[in-house]
Amino acid sequence: QVQLTESGPGLVHPSETLSLTCTVSGFSLTGYSVYWVRQPSGKGLEWMGRMRYNGDTSYNSALKSRLSISRDTSKNQVFLKMNSLQTDDTGTYYCTRAGVDWGQGVMVTVSS
Amino acid sequence: DVVLTQTPPTLSATIGQSVSISCRSSQSLLHSNGNTYLNWLLQRPGQPPQLLIYLVSRLESGVPNRFSGSGSGTDFTLKISGVEAEDLGVYYCVQSTHAPYTFGAGTKLELK
Repeated sequence: QVQLTESGPGLVHPSETLSLTCTVSGFSLTGYSVYWVRQPSGKGLEWMGRMRYNGDTSYNSALKSRLSISRDTSKNQVFLKMNSLQTDDTGTYYCTRAGVDWGQGVMVTVSS
Repeated sequence: DVVLTQTPPTLSATIGQSVSISCRSSQSLLHSNGNTYLNWLLQRPGQPPQLLIYLVSRLESGVPNRFSGSGSGTDFTLKISGVEAEDLGVYYCVQSTHAPYTFGAGTKLELK
């Protein structure tokens, strides 16, 4: 059974760095891509970036300068790091197996 | 980046009514490998998105066959043949032909 679970701090201060972890089970990170998607409260979905099965990454053009996605295949984990957070980065952050299976999401609030 | 324009932004329907949602792309979504990577998702309130349709017209396992997808190139349509109460929520198209991947702004389906 495929499962994805996002984890990370619920509160981040402005200008700080957000670090999130997506822990997966039921599939191999060397066989499937994992995407990060976020959703500001009450708004639509925004594709943030991708860790491809072969280790390649791709990023949303608007976030590229602040965003980094990496992985540890031995731990079945994909990581997201985004720096210089501002209040409009507040929202729910999801990881998904190639858009097919989704985690429940983690709510992140950027506030002082 | 590819821009996906969804219409209408809001759709009011009665139970049993058939409805359609349009998704237009700023460029062709036909990949060089011959596939068209256009998917449809449904996000019910308080839930992560759920994959309904992939590769334009292929029904994800477990999705009722009242959902259907069609289109090619830059114009795509999701049709629901006989809306049921459980279909209410926000529908998104998403393309993964061209990196970075992008979502449409969403169409909210509500009861009339």
